[in-house]
Amino acid sequence: DADVTQTPRNRITKTGKRIMLECSQTKGHDRMYWYRQDPGLGLRLIYYSFDVKDINKGEISDGYSVSRQAQAKFSLSLESAIPNQTALYFCATSDPTGPSTDTQYFGPGTRLTVL
Amino acid sequence: GEDVEQSLFLSVREGDSSVINCTYTDSSSTYLYWYKQEPGAGLQLLTYIFSNMDMKQDQRLTVLLNKKDKHLSLRIADTQTGDSAIYFCAESHSSASKIIFGSGTRLSIRP
Repeated sequence: DADVTQTPRNRITKTGKRIMLECSQTKGHDRMYWYRQDPGLGLRLIYYSFDVKDINKGEISDGYSVSRQAQAKFSLSLESAIPNQTALYFCATSDPTGPSTDTQYFGPGTRLTVL
Repeated sequence: GEDVEQSLFLSVREGDSSVINCTYTDSSSTYLYWYKQEPGAGLQLLTYIFSNMDMKQDQRLTVLLNKKDKHLSLRIADTQTGDSAIYFCAESHSSASKIIFGSGTRLSIRP
């Protein structure tokens, strides 16, 4: 969905490095999410934010942190990357006032490889 | 806890119907969704159904919900090669803050 963009699209890094993945949206949604996707495991929620002052841990937040710089921007950081954080990372947004609460709109994904 | 389960793979002949099944555990689910993920892309919402409905049809797509058995299915009529993708079932309820996704079903089309 072009309304949700992620940078970078691909990243290869080394163990121990700090990495930031960025997400921007032009949908005007208050809610934003970070997921990781691993083969056979579906999507797992890392962090979510319902507005600029609201940050919540998901089911697998250890090793990650986030920053909601503005309504339109939500960044995910890996403070010290490790190989098992190699995955496809998705940002998503949702609008709780829409016809289907929590219908989520996804960015194109960032493929992260930690060597 | 909440859980959504799907089989990992489905292979269908081109032109046949595909039926992707999903079971969930949260009896208070309000919305159930089907998302499609094409190679190299993010997830796109295909369709959703309210829990007080038992069927929804949208062109080639038919969603059936059996609330008693907590079973959701997606039927794709006249399956085409462009339907090759991973299909995710998901559920949420109005008081929750997140969607629970299944592991995805990879649909492959054979000639």
